[in-house]
Amino acid sequence: QSALTQPASVSGSPGQSITISCTGTSSDVGGYNYVSWYQQHPGKAPKLMIYEVSNRPSGVSNRFSGSKSGNTASLTISGLQAEDEADYYCSSKRSSATHVVFGGGTKLTVL
Amino acid sequence: EVQLVESGGGLIQPGGSLRLSCAASGFTVSSNYMSWVRQAPGKGLEWVSLLYSGGSTYYADSVKGRFTISRDNSKNTLYLQMNSLRAEDTAVYYCARAGYSYGYDFEYWGQGTLVTVSS
Repeated sequence: QSALTQPASVSGSPGQSITISCTGTSSDVGGYNYVSWYQQHPGKAPKLMIYEVSNRPSGVSNRFSGSKSGNTASLTISGLQAEDEADYYCSSKRSSATHVVFGGGTKLTVL
Repeated sequence: EVQLVESGGGLIQPGGSLRLSCAASGFTVSSNYMSWVRQAPGKGLEWVSLLYSGGSTYYADSVKGRFTISRDNSKNTLYLQMNSLRAEDTAVYYCARAGYSYGYDFEYWGQGTLVTVSS
């Protein structure tokens, strides 16, 4: 059971916007609106940034937004800031005994 | 305030057993969907197991038949019993509480406990 596909790395300058993609299949990303995104700084636990494709938990900046089209979900970060530099993971419900599947992760570098 | 504190990790030989604990505070474990998620050194996240509030359990294929998730309501603690450990089980193990989506998202995380399987 392969993970969802994310780019290994993305980069952007402060103030710019970047988008991270997360590609799955109709058995996961495309079949359900249960896509989440997590931010993880080195040595820290992941932090939930987006749930159910496009919803932000309380306290998460509105610079973070999520969307989905077909089998691909996306996380967009606008107005990049230095503290956004981290690893980002997507996850989705999967229609099998594998309850949840994660993407391989994307390292965001703020130039 | 919601807090999750894992313990029980360590160095274990292949084929051995280990039990991880996740002590919760600020909420009731038995009323929530609780999962274990692991992360091998330098690698991505992998969902391991889920315990529904109703008691149903689910496992990743990679651990099915070897790992068992459970809880002690009197101690408000989640457990992961890991048997027949393999080198590929080496990872930081996080316990996590679902937030919004029936166990498909993880809003609260512990700090993690490292399990190293090696001879």
